[in-house]
Amino acid sequence: AQKITQTQPGMFVQEKEAVTLDCTYDTSDPSYGLFWYKQPSSGEMIFLIYQGSYDQQNATEGRYSLNFQKARKSANLVISASQLGDSAMYFCAMRGTGNQFYFGTGTSLTVIP
Amino acid sequence: NAGVTQTPKFQVLKTGQSMTLQCAQDMNHNSMYWYRQDPGMGLRLIYYSASEGTTDKGEVPNGYNVSRLNKREFSLRLESAAPSQTSVYFCASTPTATYGYTFGSGTRLTVV
Repeated sequence: AQKITQTQPGMFVQEKEAVTLDCTYDTSDPSYGLFWYKQPSSGEMIFLIYQGSYDQQNATEGRYSLNFQKARKSANLVISASQLGDSAMYFCAMRGTGNQFYFGTGTSLTVIP
Repeated sequence: NAGVTQTPKFQVLKTGQSMTLQCAQDMNHNSMYWYRQDPGMGLRLIYYSASEGTTDKGEVPNGYNVSRLNKREFSLRLESAAPSQTSVYFCASTPTATYGYTFGSGTRLTVV
């Protein structure tokens, strides 16, 4: 079975601080992809970052980085220097067999001024 | 602007009514998907189309049908709406599985 687990329903972070959002996954496929999406209150889904299972280095995109620990099956999102605009829901997702994507239940992040 | 266009953005249906949610992408993507999003449940896959001419069931297909009309368009039909289908529906597309999805802006559907 393929599954994504996000255990933090809500997180708070002080503006300009870094925050880590947790994601663990379960798959028996050797080849898979891991994604993070942001959903602000306006409702759209915004792609943030991608990590392939064979990638040797952790992915980075601006202030976003993905802490990929393959042996632990974790793919945590790190947001550095948090901004008020980072307040949103964040979803971890995994590409599985048949090109299907599996999503976690999300983490609500609130940035405090 | 290139992207995924969903219509309508909002809809209220009475129980038993039918409707079709439209989705079109202009990025020449092969694969298209329909998800529903419910509070505390994340996004759950309803149906997907890996390529033009093919459709497959996802995690929650009951009560829905889909049509991949051509490479650009992928519609979702509710034949007899039920209150349990009250949700936000997202269409998404991707060129290959290596890439992330591009999502539409969503359709907020309420069934009363």
